[in-house]
Amino acid sequence: GENVEQHPSTLSVQEGDSAVIKCTYSDSASNYFPWYKQELGKRPQLIIDIRSNVGEKKDQRIAVTLNKTAKHFSLHITETQPEDSAVYFCAANQFKTGANNLFFGTGTRLTVIP
Amino acid sequence: DAGVIQSPRHEVTEMGQEVTLRCKPISGHNSLFWYRQTMMRGLELLIYFNNNVPIDDSGMPEDRFSAKMPNASFSTLKIQPSEPRDSAVYFCASSLAASWAGELFFGEGSRLTVL
Repeated sequence: GENVEQHPSTLSVQEGDSAVIKCTYSDSASNYFPWYKQELGKRPQLIIDIRSNVGEKKDQRIAVTLNKTAKHFSLHITETQPEDSAVYFCAANQFKTGANNLFFGTGTRLTVIP
Repeated sequence: DAGVIQSPRHEVTEMGQEVTLRCKPISGHNSLFWYRQTMMRGLELLIYFNNNVPIDDSGMPEDRFSAKMPNASFSTLKIQPSEPRDSAVYFCASSLAASWAGELFFGEGSRLTVL
């Protein structure tokens, strides 16, 4: 099955600085790579995703890059704000007949210091 | 739509007791997933259904765990008998289409504590 590794496990940045989280995956057939944000005590929520037919996608202060050859993808958050503090999970899909399921990385706890 | 609805939100039980967690997916979604979240292991996929049919239950830890989806609007995850190591947050999630990878919508989770 798919194996997703995520680094770092914790990340602290000063408000206004950038944050980068990196993930690798094992299954070359994976074609969908979402990122979820989970605030303390809340549910994971999708913040951005990328499909294998593009190399980069941006949404305001958030961007994701994908390198299919190397099987890694990254989340970039610019101009970080205290409300960006949360746990971020990357994921990759594994398509099987009948459904797409997601395998998640172990998460990165981001702390933005005011 | 109210989103994915899970119950109970919190459950405290004693070792050996049966636990049943419930989930109502978003109307019209074809796929339903059960995940378990712990500090040590993160988000683990337990089982998922497509059009009410279980597709892959290889993530279910052992025979004490079972899941059903009797219709498109309801699923249960049962643990019998429960053990302290089952303590975790259990998330149910649903997605729109089985054949096209897309967003998973998570419920609020059920926090289970087994004493």
